[in-house]
Amino acid sequence: AQSVAQPEDQVNVAEGNPLTVKCTYSVSGNPYLFWYVQYPNRGLQFLLKYITGDNLVKGSYGFEAEFNKSQTSFHLKKPSALVSDSALYFCAVRDNTGGFKTIFGAGTRLFVKA
Amino acid sequence: EAQVTQNPRYLITVTGKKLTVTCSQNMNHEYMSWYRQDPGLGLRQIYYSMNVEVTDKGDVPEGYKVSRKEKRNFPLILESPSPNQTSLYFCASSLKGTHNEQFFGPGTRLTVL
Repeated sequence: AQSVAQPEDQVNVAEGNPLTVKCTYSVSGNPYLFWYVQYPNRGLQFLLKYITGDNLVKGSYGFEAEFNKSQTSFHLKKPSALVSDSALYFCAVRDNTGGFKTIFGAGTRLFVKA
Repeated sequence: EAQVTQNPRYLITVTGKKLTVTCSQNMNHEYMSWYRQDPGLGLRQIYYSMNVEVTDKGDVPEGYKVSRKEKRNFPLILESPSPNQTSLYFCASSLKGTHNEQFFGPGTRLTVL
């Protein structure tokens, strides 16, 4: 069965510092991995995804994520955090067997302090 | 503007009174999904559709029905709502291909008394 774990409910970081939001997954077969962001009272917005190939994926708003197959992780990173990055971040996984069943993590709230 | 729309955005109802939440997308997307979002649980997939007249259960389908009679619409039906279905509901759509990202609607906040 597929599963996603986001081990931190909340991450606090100072503006200008690097940030990491962690995600680990379990899936049979090869995974498709996604990061989404949710701003207050809004729907989710896509940030980036890993399908295959280069383990470092770059996405919107300066975010990137590193796929690590041996550690089954897909951590979201940004070199320099902005106050406007404060939001709820979700990791999601889907397997590549052809179905569309999608599993989301519980979410990590990011607070960036000025 | 490319978008996923949901109606209503807010709904307060009583136990047992049938309701429908509509979802429509104008991007000609083949795939559509419904999710519910609950604190501490993230998003959980209720149903998804990969084509017109084709629907499949997600992780939490109990108490819900869906239909996909047209490509652009994917309504969520609660035939007999119960208080444990109080939640924030999101509709999403994506292009054909399970590697594609989803585009989400603005959400529908449902309260069942």
